[in-house]
Amino acid sequence: GIQVEQSPPDLILQEGANSTLRCNFSDSVNNLQWFHQNPWGQLINLFYIPSGTKQNGRLSATTVATERYSLLYISSSQTTDSGVYFCAVEIGSGTYKYIFGTGTRLKVLA
Amino acid sequence: GAGVSQSPRYKVTKRGQDVALRCDPISGHVSLYWYRQALGQGPEFLTYFNYEAQQDKSGLPNDRFSAERPEGSISTLTIQRTEQRDSAMYRCASSTMTSGGEQYFGPGTRLTVT
Repeated sequence: GIQVEQSPPDLILQEGANSTLRCNFSDSVNNLQWFHQNPWGQLINLFYIPSGTKQNGRLSATTVATERYSLLYISSSQTTDSGVYFCAVEIGSGTYKYIFGTGTRLKVLA
Repeated sequence: GAGVSQSPRYKVTKRGQDVALRCDPISGHVSLYWYRQALGQGPEFLTYFNYEAQQDKSGLPNDRFSAERPEGSISTLTIQRTEQRDSAMYRCASSTMTSGGEQYFGPGTRLTVT
């Protein structure tokens, strides 16, 4: 089956720093989502981005489907950005389930 | 509008008991997904429905797990004869599309089997 790997697995930042999180997938995908799981366990939608680039405030994401990766950029990080970031890919082919990546655990220090 | 809701939020049960977990999707969402999330890991697909039809149940671990969505809205995930290894967060998500689309997750049900 498809492999979805995220890097780095862990990241510690000082407040105000920028970071790039990466999601690599081993096969073609139809859709891709980025989620933030906050310290309270909620899974929050960040981007639905099968291809191209999107921006939302301090966050932006780029998916290059032909090269099988997606990037999530966090600029001017804040302590509230702490948590785990997951990418999830949907492979289609008659079933439309999402396969989640391994996650990047981010801690932003004040 | 209201998001995806799940109940109960926490469930503690004794090994061997049956449990039923409920998911109420966003109004008008046609597809509904169940995932299980172990501590420190990402959600793992269990099953999903388009309207009332179960489309894929390949992720259900064994025949003690079943799910239904009889009227195409609320769904119930049932675990029979629970075992300690069933302890996890069970999450539900819904989407406006029958073929993929953006998924919105509920708060989850934390199941603990003692």
